[in-house]
Amino acid sequence: QSVLTQPPSASGTPGQRVTISCSGTNSNSGTNPVNWYQQLPGKAPKILIHSNNQRPSGVPDRFSASKSGASASLVISGLQSEDEADYYCAAWDDSLNGRVFGGGTKLSVL
Amino acid sequence: QLHLQESGPGLVKPSETLSLICNVSGGSIATDSFYWVWIRQPPGKGLEWIGSIYHTGRTYSNPSLKSRVTLSVDTSKNQLFLRLTSVTAADTALYYCARNTGGYVYGWFDPWGQGTLVTVSS
Repeated sequence: QSVLTQPPSASGTPGQRVTISCSGTNSNSGTNPVNWYQQLPGKAPKILIHSNNQRPSGVPDRFSASKSGASASLVISGLQSEDEADYYCAAWDDSLNGRVFGGGTKLSVL
Repeated sequence: QLHLQESGPGLVKPSETLSLICNVSGGSIATDSFYWVWIRQPPGKGLEWIGSIYHTGRTYSNPSLKSRVTLSVDTSKNQLFLRLTSVTAADTALYYCARNTGGYVYGWFDPWGQGTLVTVSS
């Protein structure tokens, strides 16, 4: 059971808009910034969004994220086949005094 | 461009100690403001933070692993080290090292190494 809760799967067709949620508590995502990672099949994770909604250079603007309270969301607009990957949210947890991850969401592009 | 590369024995026997090295190139691990982290991923499962270390040796470890984990650095060789004692099959995972940018609480992990698979089996 992960500290941050994500749906195990999501799907969409090319061009669609997909949202992946990440739910935590006041000790983690409710207080601290949420980061999102993309893990392509067979590859190491890569930072996608940091500090709740900041996109590193090189990340397409199709990817965006937001946070309200202890709930965060990753939005992928104009879904492409190469977006098929696992997506993880993460944050610091003040109670555990450590980093916690969501269980990951497997995104399928149909 | 910063590059991280993990290495270590692919197979460890139960109850023994797992030791991994992360070689960092393209930048110094002794740079201020950056922590360095270890993360693992059991086959087919999600990510788990193992711990973070600063170049001074200050560390933060996952409470669930703290009694078994030792993190260290060798700034002269630009290397990070992970030691995990009394391993069991549950420690079988792909182990990653990464740079922690933006502070150990508010920061994010980028870049990551490619990971090294460690299997615990007799």
